[in-house]
Amino acid sequence: GQQLNQSPQSMFIQEGEDVSMNCTSSSIFNTWLWYKQDPGEGPVLLIALYKAGELTSNGRLTAQFGITRKDSFLNISASIPSDVGIYFCSNYGGSQGNLIFGKGTKLSVKP
Amino acid sequence: DGGITQSPKYLFRKEGQNVTLSCEQNLNHDAMYWYRQDPGQGLRLIYYSQIVNDFQKGDIAEGYSVSREKKESFPLTVTSAQKNPTAFYLCASRITGSNEQFFGPGTRLTVL
Repeated sequence: GQQLNQSPQSMFIQEGEDVSMNCTSSSIFNTWLWYKQDPGEGPVLLIALYKAGELTSNGRLTAQFGITRKDSFLNISASIPSDVGIYFCSNYGGSQGNLIFGKGTKLSVKP
Repeated sequence: DGGITQSPKYLFRKEGQNVTLSCEQNLNHDAMYWYRQDPGQGLRLIYYSQIVNDFQKGDIAEGYSVSREKKESFPLTVTSAQKNPTAFYLCASRITGSNEQFFGPGTRLTVL
């Protein structure tokens, strides 16, 4: 089946630094969704992208839909301690057209 | 407040017992989903339902069962046939025509 490859797997950064992570696939998609999961909680939708080349912001978060439609990027500017969590990319590509997820990028922020 | 609720937050069961996890939503969403999450892994789809009284197996349905008697409710039963049931279980819902799924807070099941 289709797979979403996220990198890096984990990041340890200092508060105030910018963060960049990405998600790639060998398949072409029409949508990219980015979720954040706090420890012990359900994922929360951060940004949804619907058009190749689209750049969308949500506060300090910016996500881009890759022009090849096979990848997406998420950037966090001026990180703060509450940015800690796992960031998942997701897309509709499962065996029955359902949502599939990457394995996540775990972000740790040192105050 | 509109949202998805899952109960309980933590659940402990003895091996060999069936257990039912609750998922309720008041968002008037048509589709509902159950996912399983293991440490260091993404979410894997167990079952989903597009409308009341209809549901479909996901990628890892073996050892699980569901029902969808009401639009608001989609309970998941973890049966004794599930070989490795200890995991974090997440329920989600989606309104027809939208690509965006919204998740509940999750239930952590531990089988002793």
